[in-house]
Amino acid sequence: GENVEQHPSTLSVQEGDSAVIKCTYSDSASNYFPWYKQELGKRPQLIIDIRSNVGEKKDQRIAVTLNKTAKHFSLHITETQPEDSAVYFCAAFYSSASKIIFGSGTRLSIRP
Amino acid sequence: NAGVMQNPRHLVRRRGQEARLRCSPMKGHSHVYWYRQLPEEGLKFMVYLQKENIIDESGMPKERFSAEFPKEGPSILRIQQVVRGDSAAYFCASSAGSGNEQFFGPGTRLTVL
Repeated sequence: GENVEQHPSTLSVQEGDSAVIKCTYSDSASNYFPWYKQELGKRPQLIIDIRSNVGEKKDQRIAVTLNKTAKHFSLHITETQPEDSAVYFCAAFYSSASKIIFGSGTRLSIRP
Repeated sequence: NAGVMQNPRHLVRRRGQEARLRCSPMKGHSHVYWYRQLPEEGLKFMVYLQKENIIDESGMPKERFSAEFPKEGPSILRIQQVVRGDSAAYFCASSAGSGNEQFFGPGTRLTVL
């Protein structure tokens, strides 16, 4: 069915350390994978996305990797800072449904 | 280029009243999505619309809820005879195509007394 699994649901890391969030999807035809960050009381905002023709994409401290064979993709945040504290949602475009399916979210907390 | 607009930002209704939520997509976007978010929870898909058409309403309760996206004007999510369980943040998003980035509005926070 249309599903995106996201783990972990909560993550606490020391400031300066790295954080990794993992997602899996089931539609082998999926070709677009965005990541959204939602700060408390705010709207979700796109922070990075990747299409299926590449395996990795990086933007400063944020990187996303995609393994199409295994149908999983990950978000990596390096040198974490307090402002990285938020809920992060992964998503995958399901062509069968013509819509983006969101994961359940990961609450990331950065310890000072 | 104004982003996705939603109004009202906050809406308080008593049980049994109607709630009407509006969403104006970004300029040039013809795809609109509505999501519901309970506190501390994820984004639950409700409905996907294009101009004058409902593409997918699989996430929307069959009773009391309806959505439209007319040829002119904003998309409307309508909740009739609201109950306390309808209290949530309702986000709308728009995109240029079904497989394109979705831009979210600021949300409408509905409180049912």
